[in-house]
Amino acid sequence: GAVVSQHPSRVICKSGTSVKIECRSLDFQATTMFWYRQFPKQSLMLMATSNEGSKATYEQGVEKDKFLINHASLTLSTLTVTSAHPEDSSFYICSARDRTDRTPLGTYEQYFGPGTRLTVT
Amino acid sequence: KQEVTQIPAALSVPEGENLVLNCSFTDSAIYNLQWFRQDPGKGLTSLLLIQSSQREQTSGRLNASLDKSSGRSTLYIAASQPGDSATYLCAVLIYMNRDDKIIFGKGTRLHILP
Repeated sequence: GAVVSQHPSRVICKSGTSVKIECRSLDFQATTMFWYRQFPKQSLMLMATSNEGSKATYEQGVEKDKFLINHASLTLSTLTVTSAHPEDSSFYICSARDRTDRTPLGTYEQYFGPGTRLTVT
Repeated sequence: KQEVTQIPAALSVPEGENLVLNCSFTDSAIYNLQWFRQDPGKGLTSLLLIQSSQREQTSGRLNASLDKSSGRSTLYIAASQPGDSATYLCAVLIYMNRDDKIIFGKGTRLHILP
């Protein structure tokens, strides 16, 4: 089945530093990857949609200069949290959509990664 | 704006009981609805996906229904087990600004008592 991995699974960094999180589709090609953020006991909130080879589309209220997204290949997207602050501490989850699936909208699945726990001290 | 609501927010039941989790959404223009399971500190496991043209899906002890016109879905878990303890998330797929997006509810935290 389709597998999405994330690295690292946990990261602790100091305030003001930058952190990069990787999202990989292991056994399929993903033209589109999505990045979500989840605060404790809250829902997953979509941060941005990342299409391979083009700029990411950010949701309203998400700072594109703070959360840098790169989707340079069909199997890898990265999220870099720049100048991290304690309020950026959260659970970040990526998902990927199978490129080869050309069935109508809604009949395919997004496959989710295991998440990355970011703690900024 | 699409909003997804899940009731109850938390639920504790004795092992063996059948239970129903509820999900409602405000805009019926969805392409599919999914139920996910999330264990503490972990990612999402897709349980069931119901396309907008379907009314239900079944997998083992799980059955999910979809009433798109009324904006409701239910997840039925039969003969609950302690291993079913987790947070269950309902999510709908919408199309907006030339892109498809998944909108999640806040989840129902389920605890099955042994």
